[in-house]
Amino acid sequence: DTGVSQNPRHKITKRGQNVTFRCDPISEHNRLYWYRQTLGQGPEFLTYFQNEAQLEKSRLLSDRFSAERPKGSFSTLEIQRTEQGDSAMYLCACGTSGLWEQFFGPGTRLTVL
Amino acid sequence: AQSVSQHNHHVILSEAASLELGCNYSYGGTVNLFWYVQYPGQHLQLLLKYFSGDPLVKGIKGFEAEFIKSKFSFNLRKPSVQWSDTAEYFCAVNGNNAGNMLTFGGGTRLMVKP
Repeated sequence: DTGVSQNPRHKITKRGQNVTFRCDPISEHNRLYWYRQTLGQGPEFLTYFQNEAQLEKSRLLSDRFSAERPKGSFSTLEIQRTEQGDSAMYLCACGTSGLWEQFFGPGTRLTVL
Repeated sequence: AQSVSQHNHHVILSEAASLELGCNYSYGGTVNLFWYVQYPGQHLQLLLKYFSGDPLVKGIKGFEAEFIKSKFSFNLRKPSVQWSDTAEYFCAVNGNNAGNMLTFGGGTRLMVKP
């Protein structure tokens, strides 16, 4: 257990619905990352925060994807108008500026029917 | 843009066999290199990392990796695998970008037969 928690662990939704995932990082880690992992592939970077500032979001897959970290602690990732192609594992990781290691949470598995 | 290739998608070994998993990256500048492992039903865990210095790095559970700059490679090795090493292994690169975003390879699924 890395100390990073993600909720829910599994989410099944119908196409067109909105979903929101939450990540609670290790409390003293100021950086928070979101990745997506599809079957048979490695994690793919989506976005990251340093404290509450979202410093990189150009890799978000479409404008249906958005993320927030309002108080620099937990973060949410929202997908609007879900599509079947959004089915994947969504991973959260955290770290600190100046240290290269990232600690990963267990992920949220999304299934879009 | 940086990319990572792991050429072995599936590897099956018997216990006590030696392991070498290939990882090649594409990036023109200084890199930090990582191997992560994902045991069945568990989250990604860091196995070992290379930032600078001795190109042969040792990680947990008897794993080691060698950075060969001229070959853009960072292969993972273990002299004698155990059944408990059954897992998926991911090589990752950070091209020294300010945000430390990782680029992962596609992973190698290792099965060790008892």
